[in-house]
Amino acid sequence: SQTIHQWPATLVQPVGSPLSLECTVEGTSNPNLYWYRQAAGRGLQLLFYSVGIGQISSEVPQNLSASRPQDRQFILSSKKLLLSDSGFYLCACQTGSSYNEQFFGPGTRLTVL
Amino acid sequence: ILNVEQSPQSLHVQEGDSTNFTCSFPSSNFYALHWYRWETAKSPEALFVMTLNGDEKKKGRISATLNTKEGYSYLYIKGSQPEDSATYLCASRRSNDYKLSFGAGTTVTVRA
Repeated sequence: SQTIHQWPATLVQPVGSPLSLECTVEGTSNPNLYWYRQAAGRGLQLLFYSVGIGQISSEVPQNLSASRPQDRQFILSSKKLLLSDSGFYLCACQTGSSYNEQFFGPGTRLTVL
Repeated sequence: ILNVEQSPQSLHVQEGDSTNFTCSFPSSNFYALHWYRWETAKSPEALFVMTLNGDEKKKGRISATLNTKEGYSYLYIKGSQPEDSATYLCASRRSNDYKLSFGAGTTVTVRA
């Protein structure tokens, strides 16, 4: 079965600073990968998804970007963080012949001050 | 992204009592309905995946039903225990789309 790694686990960054969150997957190949954010008191919002290397789809306009340089690596970035970027970021992996169930990583708690 | 709604937003249950809550989703082009349990400081854990109208799934004291024609699913917790305290998320998937659309969750607090 697959294992999803995310780092860092927590991060405190000043407004205007850059961001790089990394997600790597073990135990599977050619997964669909997803970045979600949970803002305080809200549900999971899909930010980006990727069905293959170099293929990124954005769900919401924002100052974040994503990249998939390798099959099992998914990176979330920003050039300049905003206060509203604070939240809990989850990476998810979807595999199998039906690409049905999604499995989540441990998440990164980002606080922008 | 689909409009998936969960109610209530939160509920408090006495230990030993049973409870249930709802997930509603668009019934057109339905493919699958997922339930996840999300405990504090952990990542969401998959509970059930249901695809057929009338499906019922059970895992210990937790069970779920699915009505795809009217677009709702119920999650039941029988004899609630403190370890059942968590946020329960549902997510819907439509045909020809890999993405899941999540509801905002129902946060369950079981009081001893």
